Formats: sequence, C-alpha cells, structure tokens
Amino acid sequence: NAGVMQNPRHLVRRRGQEARLRCSPMKGHSHVYWYRQLPEEGLKFMVYLQKENIIDESGMPKERFSAEFPKEGPSILRIQQVVRGDSAAYFCASSPNRADVSSGANVLTFGAGSRLTVL
Amino acid sequence: DQQVKQNSPSLSVQEGRISILNCDYTNSMFDYFLWYKKYPAEGPTFLISISSIKDKNEDGRFTVFLNKSAKHLSLHIVPSQPGDSAVYFCAASSYPPYNTDKLIFGTGTRLQVFP
Repeated sequence: NAGVMQNPRHLVRRRGQEARLRCSPMKGHSHVYWYRQLPEEGLKFMVYLQKENIIDESGMPKERFSAEFPKEGPSILRIQQVVRGDSAAYFCASSPNRADVSSGANVLTFGAGSRLTVL
Repeated sequence: DQQVKQNSPSLSVQEGRISILNCDYTNSMFDYFLWYKKYPAEGPTFLISISSIKDKNEDGRFTVFLNKSAKHLSLHIVPSQPGDSAVYFCAASSYPPYNTDKLIFGTGTRLQVFP
C-alpha cells in the first residue's frame, strides 16, 4: 500500500539547467497537487492537476515552470533554466475524487518531497 | 495575501502539559480546516480536521476548536509528548465556489516538547 512516491529525493542543478521532479499518487487517487516550501517558509500551492488536465495553476510562476499529469505515468513538475531562488523542497500530494468521498475535508496525502538545490 | 496565518513561529512546552497552537484566517468562504504535522526531511502528515459548521472536533490527545466569528482556530494537544515535537501547519479549503480542492497553508509553528 505505497503512499505518494516522489523522486528524486535530492536533486542538484547548476544555474540554467533543467529540473524534473516526478510524483506517483497513491493508488486510487486521481488528483495531484504540487506545493513548494522555501527555507523557513510555509507550503505554497503551485498547481492542481487531474489526469491530462490542469485544474488550477494559480500558484505557478508565469515563466520556466510547467506541470503535467499524463494519462499514463507520474505527474512531472518541470523547471527550466533554474535559478538559485528555485532552491526549495517541492512536495507532491494526492487525493481521491471528491465525488468518491461521502463527506468531510479533502485530505491530501503528501509525499516525502524532492529537495532541489541550485548551485 | 496570506489568507491563513500562524503568528507564532515556535512554541516550547514541557512534557505532560497542554500545547496550544493557533491559526487565524481571513476568507469566510473556507469550509474545512485541517492540521498537519511535519517532521524534518518528511512530508506533512494529516492530523485532524474540522468542518466550518462545527466548533470542536476531538481525536485522542488532539482537539481542534473553531471560532468562526473571530476567524480563529486552535489545536490543543493534551498531554504533550516528546514525539509531538514537529512543525504544525494549519490549512484551509473551500470547494465551492472556486471548484478547486487545493489547501491553503499557514507558515507553520515549530513545537518543541521537552522532558
């Protein structure tokens, strides 16, 4: 009963390179969320996806960042031309379809995170 | 615009005593509030939630209180244990009318429980 799987756990990139972070949601979960935690800060929402659809990308920076959740395979958060300010922990979370949940809060299950360091 | 605020960055409590973590919010449309706990190098884990139509929810040593008129909620941990030492995040969601299930998190409070 694997939880939310993220890889890599640690990624080091030089300025200008690309970073790709992967997330496999919990079995049975069809919704994926990406959050970013900068040093000494809280979790900032980035994007919410369902299979092949971006539902809410209101937290995504306008440039260099993109996300996808294809029909097959994990969700990918892609950061092009990384800068030092992109250094952070990136957390993926998943949840079931709200229609499948009789009531209650939308509880997100988080992965352990991917820590990106830009040199 | 910080819609969910945790004004105390840290809290230190003696083992066996009560820990009270506070959270304020600005958006009256939030329908659920959740608390998450986070250990270093791990992802946040869900602790307890409360619906906006309730004022209290209890689960073992953890109780969450909601004061809608003050737009304030608190998490009580009784009795506190050293294993409770972690960062606690308050979060809120509002499914209608925004049709998005994202959670909005506060900045967290670091709880340290000492013997």
